[in-house]
Amino acid sequence: DAGVIQSPRHEVTEMGQEVTLRCKPISGHDYLFWYRQTMMRGLELLIYFNNNVPIDDSGMPEDRFSAKMPNASFSTLKIQPSEPRDSAVYFCASRRTGATGELFFGEGSRLTVL
Amino acid sequence: AQSVAQPEDQVNVAEGNPLTVKCTYSVSGNPYLFWYVQYPNRGLQFLLKYITGDNLVKGSYGFEAEFNKSQTSFHLKKPSALVSDSALYFCAVREIGANNLFFGTGTRLTVIP
Repeated sequence: DAGVIQSPRHEVTEMGQEVTLRCKPISGHDYLFWYRQTMMRGLELLIYFNNNVPIDDSGMPEDRFSAKMPNASFSTLKIQPSEPRDSAVYFCASRRTGATGELFFGEGSRLTVL
Repeated sequence: AQSVAQPEDQVNVAEGNPLTVKCTYSVSGNPYLFWYVQYPNRGLQFLLKYITGDNLVKGSYGFEAEFNKSQTSFHLKKPSALVSDSALYFCAVREIGANNLFFGTGTRLTVIP
């Protein structure tokens, strides 16, 4: 079974540009999470979905960030406009319903905003 | 509110020696506890979890962890460290009834040949 798939693996862009990160969760998993990892803050939860519906977006840093999940097999995290402080590794993770289930992480998207 | 503390940013251990990576947690109810490992330029990989039952849980790659309710700790251990165990280790907690995991800041383990 394929794991969580993220694209792109690396993105270098200039300040002000729009960035779109993509995620395909594991088939059958109905929870999807977006995390951001930086040296300063560690792993931060940005937003999570259940059955394609956003449940908690309190971790989204500001209005420049938005996330969607149009169907069970695809989610996007968009930053518009991007800023240098958005540089980080963004992880997508998924799990099945069931309180004891562990998260399965993608390989991450490393974003550099110049 | 839930929180996780990993008091050591860095742990160094000689190959073949036992290793311990510390984790303490704070939740308002009973916790679900997890350990993950991250190798360079990779995503986090699940190692083991405590849900209920035996306080000593065994996981992947020979790792184990002991749940201690009175000390609110969930330390990761391995009897004999390998150089290939060198990585970043994260402890995580989820309160019963919550959906998201809360991660510690991570501990970098270096196993010295």
